[in-house]
Amino acid sequence: GAGVSQSPSNKVTEKGKDVELRCDPISGHTALYWYRQSLGQGLEFLIYFQGNSAPDKSGLPSDRFSAERTGGSVSTLTIQRTQQEDSAVYLCASSLDKAGTNYGYTFGSGTRLTVV
Amino acid sequence: RKEVEQDPGPFNVPEGATVAFNCTYSNSASQSFFWYRQDCRKEPKLLMSVYSSGNEDGRFTAQLNRASQYISLLIRDSKLSDSATYLCVVNTRNTGGFKTIFGAGTRLFVKA
Repeated sequence: GAGVSQSPSNKVTEKGKDVELRCDPISGHTALYWYRQSLGQGLEFLIYFQGNSAPDKSGLPSDRFSAERTGGSVSTLTIQRTQQEDSAVYLCASSLDKAGTNYGYTFGSGTRLTVV
Repeated sequence: RKEVEQDPGPFNVPEGATVAFNCTYSNSASQSFFWYRQDCRKEPKLLMSVYSSGNEDGRFTAQLNRASQYISLLIRDSKLSDSATYLCVVNTRNTGGFKTIFGAGTRLFVKA
């Protein structure tokens, strides 16, 4: 597609439920990132996929968080047993090159997750 | 010390003013640098890359000072539409590949 597509755009879930967030990067972009941003705060790195390499999971806040990237394209971020502190905007970004070193990132419009 | 630091602001300036933001980074091995713009409740969007020789795009000028480890963004003739949060981004090569760090952002309000 023309840009990075994320779905759903908004998700309200009950505490303790699992949620899946989807990211469809720009075609041909080998690098994919997940960040989250709480209201009024900066971006918090979660996970980074680069081609077929093992992902950098160093930013995942707990073992309730996991992510996959199938076929080097679409990625799914899964949060199990959601907690209220998981409420945030989850942003996906993709890049043509490693870590956006030359071309920067293109972000999707995010998924606003609210845990009630 | 944070790896990437920005003055959170807010900077409140009148239309037509010139405003400058700095962003300092701690790792001297950092290799590439960018400025992003984020509007309220929107995703960040790439504003411009920062090149060693400095670069300009219309009213916006970005500079890199490797000796003092900071990058800057200068906005001339500010417009109301420039009101946003400006994020600096620093990429550093490490043993695992690359590490990208976003600054927390500087908020700019341009007033009529």
